[in-house]
Amino acid sequence: SQQGEEDPQALSIQEGENATMNCSYKTSINNLQWYRQNSGRGLVHLILIRSNEREKHSGRLRVTLDTSKKSSSLLITASRAADTASYFCATAPYGYSTLTFGKGTMLLVSP
Amino acid sequence: NAGVTQTPKFQVLKTGQSMTLQCAQDMNHEYMSWYRQDPGMGLRLIHYSVGAGITDQGEVPNGYNVSRSTTEDFPLRLLSAAPSQTSVYFCASTKRGNTEAFFGQGTRLTVV
Repeated sequence: SQQGEEDPQALSIQEGENATMNCSYKTSINNLQWYRQNSGRGLVHLILIRSNEREKHSGRLRVTLDTSKKSSSLLITASRAADTASYFCATAPYGYSTLTFGKGTMLLVSP
Repeated sequence: NAGVTQTPKFQVLKTGQSMTLQCAQDMNHEYMSWYRQDPGMGLRLIHYSVGAGITDQGEVPNGYNVSRSTTEDFPLRLLSAAPSQTSVYFCASTKRGNTEAFFGQGTRLTVV
């Protein structure tokens, strides 16, 4: 069964606004990762946060991790139309060699 | 480096036919995986491999076979295609240690 669940399922914002997506998971993890998928394309890795980290930044991306609540959030600041894509969280559970993906959040950024 | 290469990009099969989806990576990654993506379902793991000669089942393995004779290649075989296997298939490779996964561009399969 799928480990991560993103919220919301879809998000529509204007350019320049911030976009926040949330992810909840079920079991203990080694790390949590966020991926982006443009329509019809493969997934691209965005950022990885380890279980002993609480926050991480990469350019306009900010990821937080709360292992006590088994949740993570991805913030995209100053969104651009090019950020329009689906975003997935993926967890790497302890003792497993594969990633488990959530169902994703579809982000639409309008000019 | 080409990364992860999947072929073909598109395929239409008739029910009962068999075929092999190819996946190759040139990054010397130990781990390789196959996922299927269906609308509203996210990515579900079909089979994976942690090294040449080692494969294991994922969440939805029925109807699929895999083998890993080399580090580079990880083909996915559909034994007898069914309409329920209509999906987009992604291959991914990862360096040992739960690091980032690199994905191919996908194979869009339709079974009629």
